[in-house]
Amino acid sequence: KNEVEQSPQNLTAQEGEFITINCSYSVGISALHWLQQHPGGGIVSLFMLSSGKKKHGRLIATINIQEKHSSLHITASHPRDSAVYICAVYISNFGNEKLTFGTGTRLTIIP
Amino acid sequence: EAQVTQNPRYLITVTGKKLTVTCSQNMNHEYMSWYRQDPGLGLRQIYYSMNVEVTDKGDVPEGYKVSRKEKRNFPLILESPSPNQTSLYFCASGTWGKDDTDTQYFGPGTRLTVL
Repeated sequence: KNEVEQSPQNLTAQEGEFITINCSYSVGISALHWLQQHPGGGIVSLFMLSSGKKKHGRLIATINIQEKHSSLHITASHPRDSAVYICAVYISNFGNEKLTFGTGTRLTIIP
Repeated sequence: EAQVTQNPRYLITVTGKKLTVTCSQNMNHEYMSWYRQDPGLGLRQIYYSMNVEVTDKGDVPEGYKVSRKEKRNFPLILESPSPNQTSLYFCASGTWGKDDTDTQYFGPGTRLTVL
């Protein structure tokens, strides 16, 4: 069983819909990272959070440390949001921070 | 311009021929890391470095070496490449524990094929 599980694996939605991608993890973490991988392969960091909620434009990320769960929300989705969204967790190791990834959620927004 | 650069971007080599993939960042970041991405397996961390002369293994370090002699550079060395190291490799740098704006910047990727 992976330490980081994402759901759904694939998601297709109409433009304008509210999108939620979930990430659950099974280990103690120091922080969680949401990444976006464009169809061309480039990877962009969206959020890094260790508690609460962060918002950037139409993107919102939340984390519940007690429940070991994080969600990424996209409001008013647009075709340019089509990408793979990847959750990753930092696991502390005697002061070092190892990063373990989920397998990603492929999002397709249809015009 | 803030960036992480990797070289080469594409490389085809043969089994056993030592190679180095360079990674350089111009943002004075302490944290640097190497990842590989494979279909069906996603991204996996190979090695990371919290600062100069401090490196640690990620999830898949076998067959790789790294060094961090200066803050801006973090080369990935394959002493004796094998076909199972054919993959897409990403280098990244970032801040850690600084403040609420911690993040990572990814390089453009290096596609390696080992024949």
